[in-house]
Amino acid sequence: EPEVTQTPSHQVTQMGQEVILRCVPISNHLYFYWYRQILGQKVEFLVSFYNNEISEKSEIFDDQFSVERPDGSNFTLKIRSTKLEDSAMYFCASSPISNTEAFFGQGTRLTVV
Amino acid sequence: KQEVTQIPAALSVPEGENLVLNCSFTDSAIYNLQWFRQDPGKGLTSLLLIQSSQREQTSGRLNASLDKSSGRSTLYIAASQPGDSATYLCAVDSRGFQKLVFGTGTRLLVSP
Repeated sequence: EPEVTQTPSHQVTQMGQEVILRCVPISNHLYFYWYRQILGQKVEFLVSFYNNEISEKSEIFDDQFSVERPDGSNFTLKIRSTKLEDSAMYFCASSPISNTEAFFGQGTRLTVV
Repeated sequence: KQEVTQIPAALSVPEGENLVLNCSFTDSAIYNLQWFRQDPGKGLTSLLLIQSSQREQTSGRLNASLDKSSGRSTLYIAASQPGDSATYLCAVDSRGFQKLVFGTGTRLLVSP
C-alpha cells in the first residue's frame, strides 16, 4: 500500500544549526503538507504546497522555515536556525487533490539541544 | 478562528464494548472532517473522512457521523478490541486546502 515516508525518524541538532527534514509523498499526489506536534500538544498545521508553490501557511511558518520540492519525489522542510522551541514531531502529509483525505508519514522527531 | 474540542480526554473500557468518541468544532463552515488514529510516538493513520455534504461514513467497525449545523462529529467503535487502544484525533478542514485544525484527542485504552 502506498505510504508517505519520512527521514530521518529522529534528528538531534544544536541550537542555531540548520536542519532539513525529508519526505517522499505518495507518488500520484499533488498536494503536500507539513504539520508539527510539540510533545503533549495538538497537531498544528505549518504549510501546504501545490504546483511548486506555497498555497497556505500558518503564523508558525515564519522566515526561519522554507519548503522545497527539489525533484519529482522529495518534499523537504528546512529550518534555518533552530531554536529550542522547534523541538517537536514533524509530520509530512500528502493528498491526491484538495479537499480529500490526507495521508501522513510516521514523522521525524526533532530535538534541539 | 476554528477551535476543535474532543471529549472525553481519556477513556478506558473492557474489550467488546461499543463506544462513542465526541468531537465538536466552533465554526460550522467546513469542507470536511477527518478522524485519525495515533499510536504512541507514531504517525497519524487516517480512519475516515466525511465531506461537508455527508452525514456519515463507515469503515469496518468504525462509523463516523457529522452534524455540521451543531458543530459535532462522533466516532462510533463497535465491539472494541485491545488493538484499538490508541489516541483518536479529530481534524477539521475549514479552508479546503487541508489546513487541518486538530483536536487534543481522546486516549482510548481497551483492556482484555
